[in-house]
Amino acid sequence: ETGVTQSPTHLIKTRGQQVTLRCSSQSGHNTVSWYQQALGQGPQFIFQYYREEENGRGNFPPRFSGLQFPNYSSELNVNALELDDSALYLCASLQGGGREQFFGPGTRLTVL
Amino acid sequence: TQLLEQSPQFLSIQEGENLTVYCNSSSVFSSLQWYRQEPGEGPVLLVTVVTGGEVKKLKRLTFQFGDARKDSSLHITAAQPGDTGLYLCAGAKGTYKYIFGTGTRLKVLA
Repeated sequence: ETGVTQSPTHLIKTRGQQVTLRCSSQSGHNTVSWYQQALGQGPQFIFQYYREEENGRGNFPPRFSGLQFPNYSSELNVNALELDDSALYLCASLQGGGREQFFGPGTRLTVL
Repeated sequence: TQLLEQSPQFLSIQEGENLTVYCNSSSVFSSLQWYRQEPGEGPVLLVTVVTGGEVKKLKRLTFQFGDARKDSSLHITAAQPGDTGLYLCAGAKGTYKYIFGTGTRLKVLA
């Protein structure tokens, strides 16, 4: 069974740029959630995708968008990067309707 | 707005001591999870509690879900250096949204 993987591991961008982060879900899981974890804080829910459709969204502006592909992998896109977007971005996969979510190692984004 | 408050925020104890971490909210959750996160890694699920008043044991870790499903506690007996990490609780709102707590950073000294 393959675990959740994310790429890239680290990324440095400048303010105003755009970024795409990628996540491969665990084998057999059709649901992916994305979280933002600022330094010293707990993860904040961004949104969730289930079978290629957005299934719920947290309090994040529209410049945070996502996609899920037929193989259930997912992308998180952030436009017009701001300094406060610097954080660890985590994706978690779970089987639809299930409670247990499994996290990837995260992508550390630094915005200068 | 952070709906789940954890206490204490930081805890440094000697190996062999016992400790309790609390997770409190004014909201009701359909289930609650506890995770441990180590530097540079994603959170790892420890347990899920679903029923009010439920108690689950995982070796030296005991988890309790409050009767009203608004709060939870994690008790560690005879802490070891390997228990060091960031402990996070997360409450489920509906079927898809998990609200994470503020986290408790535990350091166990040998």
